[in-house]
Amino acid sequence: AQKITQTQPGMFVQEKEAVTLDCTYDTSDPSYGLFWYKQPSSGEMIFLIYQGSYDQQNATEGRYSLNFQKARKSANLVISASQLGDSAMYFCAMRATNFGNEKLTFGTGTRLTIIP
Amino acid sequence: EAQVTQNPRYLITVTGKKLTVTCSQNMNHEYMSWYRQDPGLGLRQIYYSMNVEVTDKGDVPEGYKVSRKEKRNFPLILESPSPNQTSLYFCASSALLVGDTQYFGPGTRLTVL
Repeated sequence: AQKITQTQPGMFVQEKEAVTLDCTYDTSDPSYGLFWYKQPSSGEMIFLIYQGSYDQQNATEGRYSLNFQKARKSANLVISASQLGDSAMYFCAMRATNFGNEKLTFGTGTRLTIIP
Repeated sequence: EAQVTQNPRYLITVTGKKLTVTCSQNMNHEYMSWYRQDPGLGLRQIYYSMNVEVTDKGDVPEGYKVSRKEKRNFPLILESPSPNQTSLYFCASSALLVGDTQYFGPGTRLTVL
């Protein structure tokens, strides 16, 4: 069975500081993808970054980077130079194909609050 | 514009009154899925479809039905809604590869009294 664990229900970070949001996962599938989504207070789900299980390098997208440690089964999101607009819920998700069954599993999320 | 649309965006109904939430995508995606979001539980997958006439249960399918008669549409049906189905519902679509991003609709906030 697939599982995503986000152990930080909430975080408060000073503006302009870097922040790391933790995500660990569990799957028996050799091929999987890891995603991070942002959900602002308006409610929409915004895709941030993707890491494939076979990717050799950590993914980066602007101020977002994914610290992928395959052996530890962790996929932490790093936001550099945080901004007030980064205040939102953040979800880690994993997509894997398990014997033809396509599953996408989400963590419970981390609510990030940026303090001016 | 590539998008996933859901209707209605907000719905208040009463226990037992059948309802349908529509979902449509214009990206020719094979994969479509429904999720519900509840505080402290994140998003949980209800049903998904990998192509027309191919649907399968997610993690929380009880009390829901789906159909996929056309590639672009994937309606969610609640035959007899109950208060524990009060939630925020998202439809999403993507291509089939593991690395393909899911595109989400704007969400439907459902309240069952």
